[in-house]
Amino acid sequence: GDSVTQMEGPVTLSEEAFLTINCTYTATGYPSLFWYVQYPGEGLQLLLKATKADDKGSNKGFEATYRKETTSFHLEKGSVQVSDSAVYFCALSDLGYSTLTFGKGTMLLVSP
Amino acid sequence: EAGVAQSPRYKIIEKRQSVAFWCNPISGHATLYWYQQILGQGPKLLIQFQNNGVVDDSQLPKDRFSAERLKGVDSTLKIQPAKLEDSAVYLCASSAGGVGSGELFFGEGSRLTVL
Repeated sequence: GDSVTQMEGPVTLSEEAFLTINCTYTATGYPSLFWYVQYPGEGLQLLLKATKADDKGSNKGFEATYRKETTSFHLEKGSVQVSDSAVYFCALSDLGYSTLTFGKGTMLLVSP
Repeated sequence: EAGVAQSPRYKIIEKRQSVAFWCNPISGHATLYWYQQILGQGPKLLIQFQNNGVVDDSQLPKDRFSAERLKGVDSTLKIQPAKLEDSAVYLCASSAGGVGSGELFFGEGSRLTVL
C-alpha cells in the first residue's frame, strides 16, 4: 500500500539557518504530494503541494520539488524563523482518491 | 470564514466506557473525514463521508467505533467500549472535494485519554 517516510526529529536550528526535511514515498500510481504544518495548539494546515513530476510547490518561503525518479518530496527553506517552529507532515494522495496518507511528522525547533 | 469545529477538546475516560466526538465542517464542504493521530505518529484515516454517504471506512474498527453524518453536515464519532490503545487525538477535516486536490481543512482535534 501507499506509505510516506519522513526524517525523524526534532530538527533543531538557529534562526536564519537553511532547512531541509526529507520525505520519500511509495505509491502504486502517480500521487499528488503535500506538506502540511501543525503549529502549537492549532490544527493541521496545508503548506504546499505538487501534483505531477517536476512540479515545485512553494509557500511562505518553503519549497518542495516532486522528484519521481527518487520518489522524494523534500521540504526546504533558505532562512528559517522562530515562527516556523512546528510539526511538518509529508503526505500523498493517490490518483482516484481524495484521502491523504501521512508520514509520522518532523518537529522543527528554531531558536533565536 | 468559520473553520472546522470540534468538541470536546479534551476527554478523559476509563477503559470500557463510551465517548462521542462532534464535528461541524466548513459550510458547503461535501467531504468529511475522521482521522486518528496517536502520539508520535501521523494521522490515520478512520472514515470518509461524501455528503451523508460513507466512501471509505476500511480502517475503522467497527466492533467499537461508529460514525454518522446525518443530513450531510455535522458528524459524530463514537467509541464504545474504549480501550487503552484508543488514547489519541481525533481529527476532523473537511474538503470541497475533487480527486487529488488534497486540500483538507482540519479542526483542532479532540484529545482522548483512556485510563
